[in-house]
Amino acid sequence: QVQLQESGPGLVKPSGTLSLTCAVSGGSISSSNWWSWVRQPPGKGLEWIGEIYHSGSTNYNPSLKSRVTISVDKSKNQFSLKLSSVTAADTAVYYCARDQGGHGMDVWGQGTTVTVSS
Amino acid sequence: EIVLTQSPATLSLSPGERATLSCRASQSVSSYLAWYQQKPGQAPRLLIYDASNRATGIPARFSGSGSGTDFTLTISSLEPEDFAVYYCQQRSNWPPRTFGQGTKLEIK
Repeated sequence: QVQLQESGPGLVKPSGTLSLTCAVSGGSISSSNWWSWVRQPPGKGLEWIGEIYHSGSTNYNPSLKSRVTISVDKSKNQFSLKLSSVTAADTAVYYCARDQGGHGMDVWGQGTTVTVSS
Repeated sequence: EIVLTQSPATLSLSPGERATLSCRASQSVSSYLAWYQQKPGQAPRLLIYDASNRATGIPARFSGSGSGTDFTLTISSLEPEDFAVYYCQQRSNWPPRTFGQGTKLEIK
């Protein structure tokens, strides 16, 4: 079955750029799904960041849109998140997930903790 | 942006009891609502999609209902492993695909 694995630096300096990758295994990123990023600050709820389709079409949370870029690399079967100008408020567990459109986010990565600190 | 309000914030019940969790949307989302369960240190798990359809492998004690702006997740008889945080998510009008703030289901 499809599995997702996030990777990237666990520590990012303020004003820097957070960069994460989600590797897709057991299935193709070119399947008819959206590929999403969700984050969860310590002790808080879930925040939807954005999503990408294998064609490259993207949707972003308006609250983050000016700082977020999600891209896809079909040759590596993975997708990526870049969040620029980070502050301590961007400290969170970041999850990647498969979104089956009308059927919800049915496959999730284990999550990766990113701390923004100097 | 559609805002989802979940209630109660915390629900204290005993194993074997029935749990009823509510999610209210600031405007109609038709039946495009999902429910997720999250346990400490784990990723969320999809329970219900399209308001009332159980996801693959989800036990029959979990059921969802509602349409428009008012939705309910019901757990018919609580098992010890059901104590967790539950989130609703609207999938009607995006971006963003907003989540509710969560309901913590704790053991009484």
